[in-house]
Amino acid sequence: EPEVTQTPSHQVTQMGQEVILRCVPISNHLYFYWYRQILGQKVEFLVSFYNNEISEKSEIFDDQFSVERPDGSNFTLKIRSTKLEDSAMYFCASTRANLGEQYFGPGTRLTVT
Amino acid sequence: GENVGLHLPTLSVQEGDNSIINCAYSNSASDYFIWYKQESGKGPQFIIDIRSNMDKRQGQRVTVLLNKTVKHLSLQIAATQPGDSAVYFCAEKTGSGTYKYIFGTGTRLKVLA
Repeated sequence: EPEVTQTPSHQVTQMGQEVILRCVPISNHLYFYWYRQILGQKVEFLVSFYNNEISEKSEIFDDQFSVERPDGSNFTLKIRSTKLEDSAMYFCASTRANLGEQYFGPGTRLTVT
Repeated sequence: GENVGLHLPTLSVQEGDNSIINCAYSNSASDYFIWYKQESGKGPQFIIDIRSNMDKRQGQRVTVLLNKTVKHLSLQIAATQPGDSAVYFCAEKTGSGTYKYIFGTGTRLKVLA
């Protein structure tokens, strides 16, 4: 069964550093999402991406965040200057259509020290 | 503002009993809803969805009910099994033409043997 993959599984970085989280969505999917989940809390929407541009973003997704689909298979989330409060699990998801089952990746645990 | 919340943070049920997990939402424009299951250390897993033009949808051992009048969503799990133990989230898509999903706070389901 096809699956969404994410790398790395765990990223430790110092405050102020840039990080890039990588995702490989399912190959025939067209809609892509990033979510984050602070430990013990609910899943929070960050951004949706379709047709090579951002469709929607949340208040969390400020100028420090950016997304890119550089090569038709990878989907990346960049945080330019990490803050302690960016520590969370980051999940990538993809769907074939704008409705329907979102397939989530296993997540990247980001720890900012 | 938008608020998708769950009434019970933890639900304990006996194996074989039926489980009902509830979710309240406040955005009357939301047109699509999903229930997810999240096991420890994993990403959310799609269980079942429902569009706002329906009030009930059934899957394998699961049923979702939508009451738009009171903005309430429920997930019924029949014959609950130990493998159903997880955190369950509802999520709403905040309107047609949007690609933003708001998750609820989650309910932990514990299945007692």
